[in-house]
Amino acid sequence: DIVMTQSPDSLAVSLGERATISCKSSHSLLYSSNSKNYLAWHRQKPGQPPELLIYWASTRESGVPDRFSGSGSGRDFTLTISSLQAEDVAVYYCHQYYGTHWSFGQGTKVEIK
Amino acid sequence: EVHLVDSGGGLVQPGGSLRLSCEASGFTFTDAYMSWVRQAPGKGLEWIGRIKSESDGGTTDYAAPVKGRFTISRDDSKNTLYLQMNSLKTEDTAVYYCATAPGYWGQGTLVTVSS
Repeated sequence: DIVMTQSPDSLAVSLGERATISCKSSHSLLYSSNSKNYLAWHRQKPGQPPELLIYWASTRESGVPDRFSGSGSGRDFTLTISSLQAEDVAVYYCHQYYGTHWSFGQGTKVEIK
Repeated sequence: EVHLVDSGGGLVQPGGSLRLSCEASGFTFTDAYMSWVRQAPGKGLEWIGRIKSESDGGTTDYAAPVKGRFTISRDDSKNTLYLQMNSLKTEDTAVYYCATAPGYWGQGTLVTVSS
């Protein structure tokens, strides 16, 4: 099975500042036949289900603010929040849907400094 | 807009059974591969299984902790996904979400396994 590892486990960022989360996969998530990376990012606020932010590693889901961006390819990926807002306090998960068995990073808790 | 509504959770004793449902709308359910993901209290997300579309064979795959105990099925006439859970253990206590790629989620339903 594909193992997803996020870093850091938690980070505290001042309002308006940049937050960056890294995600590394044990296997390339780039499917050669369509050149797409099968990697998504989700935000989970306390007491709520996860919500899709980014898919195909860098495509923003409809309605997601443009302060969220995803980058990377193959085995290394990054989620960037360009200007942290209070409503972004949450746990963020990377998620591979390349393999038959999905897998998720352990989560990164983002807080306000 | 993709909409998934999970239901059927509750309190069950160890060794018992429960069936969860997920009603889908806003996309072509018959073409979709559907998954179940769970989240134990205070923990991360754990994929537990998936079912392919009927046109791709309707076959299922499961994670090791639930293989042989849980069964995923679908009724395309009702746009509904099911998770039959048997021989439940205390460690199966979690919020269960149905989901479809690349990551659309139901609201979740809580399953508590306790005596």
